[in-house]
Amino acid sequence: QVQLQESGPGLVKPSQTLSLTCNVSGGSISSGGYYWTWIRQHPGKGLEWIGYIYHTGTTYYNPSLKSRITISVDTSKNQFSLRLTSVTAADTALYYCARDARGGYSGPTDHWGQGILVTVSS
Amino acid sequence: DIQVTQSPSSLSASVGDRVTITCRASQSISRFLNWYQQKPGKAPKLLIYAASSLESGVPSRFSGSGSGADFTLTISNLQPEDFATYYCQQSYSTRTFGQGTKVEIK
Repeated sequence: QVQLQESGPGLVKPSQTLSLTCNVSGGSISSGGYYWTWIRQHPGKGLEWIGYIYHTGTTYYNPSLKSRITISVDTSKNQFSLRLTSVTAADTALYYCARDARGGYSGPTDHWGQGILVTVSS
Repeated sequence: DIQVTQSPSSLSASVGDRVTITCRASQSISRFLNWYQQKPGKAPKLLIYAASSLESGVPSRFSGSGSGADFTLTISNLQPEDFATYYCQQSYSTRTFGQGTKVEIK
């Protein structure tokens, strides 16, 4: 059973860079067959897809965030990461990492981490 | 970008009721529509994928239908543990979520 665990600072200052890592266990990112995704949820709000990465490094980003985000993968550590630059209070959210595209590019997001709350505040 | 409009945003229902939630995509997405359940403080859980396929371990009172741009999630015989927020997600092209539907106890 694949498990995902987010890690990173829970507090980031405005204008700085948010960096999160997702550690994957119970399955190998390098095996391929899935996309590895970041999703966020503003407090009390709905889900927002941030972007995802394939084990080859191919990425797809939400156009509304594209200028500020970078998703990378480290197959040797079986983890993938999110960087979000120039953060503001509007980036305060619960950030989830997840496994996506089960069964093919258009497959569902089937395994999620527990989420990590990131607050942007000075 | 493909937009997904989910309705209603909330509904009140009683145990034993039949509940229907709809999602409409801004273009045809074939059957690439998934449904998730989220309970407070928890990550979303996959219920239905590819419009109508029941995820393993999900009770059969959950069902999905639709194709093209219009989709429906139905919960038959609503149980106490079903009070939660439900989201649809299109997976035809990158990903977009609906706004969510909170199912509350009447």
